[in-house]
Amino acid sequence: AQSVSQHNHHVILSEAASLELGCNYSYGGTVNLFWYVQYPGQHLQLLLKYFSGDPLVKGIKGFEAEFIKSKFSFNLRKPSVQWSDTAEYFCAVRGYNKLIFGAGTRLAVHP
Amino acid sequence: NAGVTQTPKFRVLKTGQSMTLLCAQDMNHEYMYWYRQDPGMGLRLIHYSVGEGTTAKGEVPDGYNVSRLKKQNFLLGLESAAPSQTSVYFCASSSAREGRSYTFGSGTRLTVV
Repeated sequence: AQSVSQHNHHVILSEAASLELGCNYSYGGTVNLFWYVQYPGQHLQLLLKYFSGDPLVKGIKGFEAEFIKSKFSFNLRKPSVQWSDTAEYFCAVRGYNKLIFGAGTRLAVHP
Repeated sequence: NAGVTQTPKFRVLKTGQSMTLLCAQDMNHEYMYWYRQDPGMGLRLIHYSVGEGTTAKGEVPDGYNVSRLKKQNFLLGLESAAPSQTSVYFCASSSAREGRSYTFGSGTRLTVV
């Protein structure tokens, strides 16, 4: 069955700390992977996506993610978080005609 | 601005009432989707459509119906609302091309009492 697992449900960091959010997927077809961010009270916005090619993907706002096929992982990273990164982050894999989302990770960044 | 528009933004229903949520997109996208978002469960697909006049069930379709009479609109109906349908509903659209990303609407917060 197609699924996405995000290991951290809540993460609390101080500003300038480094961030890594885990994401593992289960899907047997061609893999398209996404990270979306949802700021408080807002809709989901695309941070980055992996489609093919370089497994290290750079997105908006200094985020990046690495696709590791052997580990079925697509972890999200940022070297130095800011208070404005406080949001919920969703990993997703494109299944047949649909996106399959993980449960999300709530990130709180304290000044 | 181009995008996905959802109406209404908020609604409170009594158990047993019906309502329709409207999603409209102006990007000429072929695919449209309805998701519900519940705490700790991420987004779960209710129904989706790959083109005008076609719909398909997603992960949690029970209690909902949909229609896609026009390419730009995707309607989600609740015939007899239940408290378990209290949720935030998001509509999304995408093109049919490979590697497509999804554009989401701003959501509808529905409370069933």
